[in-house]
Amino acid sequence: DVKVTQSSRYLVKRTGEKVFLECVQDMDHENMFWYRQDPGLGLRLIYFSYDVKMKEKGDIPEGYSVSREKKERFSLILESASTNQTSMYLCASSSHLAGGTTDTQYFGPGTRLTVL
Amino acid sequence: SQQGEEDPQALSIQEGENATMNCSYKTSINNLQWYRQNSGRGLVHLILIRSNEREKHSGRLRVTLDTSKKSSSLLITASRAADTASYFCATDPYTGKLIFGQGTTLQVKP
Repeated sequence: DVKVTQSSRYLVKRTGEKVFLECVQDMDHENMFWYRQDPGLGLRLIYFSYDVKMKEKGDIPEGYSVSREKKERFSLILESASTNQTSMYLCASSSHLAGGTTDTQYFGPGTRLTVL
Repeated sequence: SQQGEEDPQALSIQEGENATMNCSYKTSINNLQWYRQNSGRGLVHLILIRSNEREKHSGRLRVTLDTSKKSSSLLITASRAADTASYFCATDPYTGKLIFGQGTTLQVKP
């Protein structure tokens, strides 16, 4: 079975801190994604990556950056955390299919981040 | 941006009853996927239906897709308390990214 793990289930940080959220997948997937989930807004894509050192902005990239130095690991960075970044963060991975189509995405358990 | 919209937003039924959730979307898609999320957890993939398919089954799940109406439905038969969760549809509009709806919250009462 595909396993996607996230570094923390719960995280509390202070405004202005630099925050790292890490995601690791063990299925050699090319694609990795970071979403945030807020009540009433569903899942919104922050960044995604199709390959090592490749990254593309999603729908809400402002205030975030990402790093993918190894195929299995995709990190989300909040350069200077703010209270409006309090949210549930979900990482996912999937195989790469030809023609720009998507395959099943496998999700990690999520990190609930609170910024005080 | 294009988004799947689920209907109803919330559904409460008794154990043993069937639950039906609907999803509508706006543009052409390559496939449509359904996911389940238990409270406070990550999403779990349930079923993927391609644009050239009309119906797909997986255990107690039945998914239909009507591309002419740009809609899909998820039917859970003989529901159980363990089916209590949020259900999301996600569409693939040939961009390599999934667009998720806001979900249907299902409560199954024992």
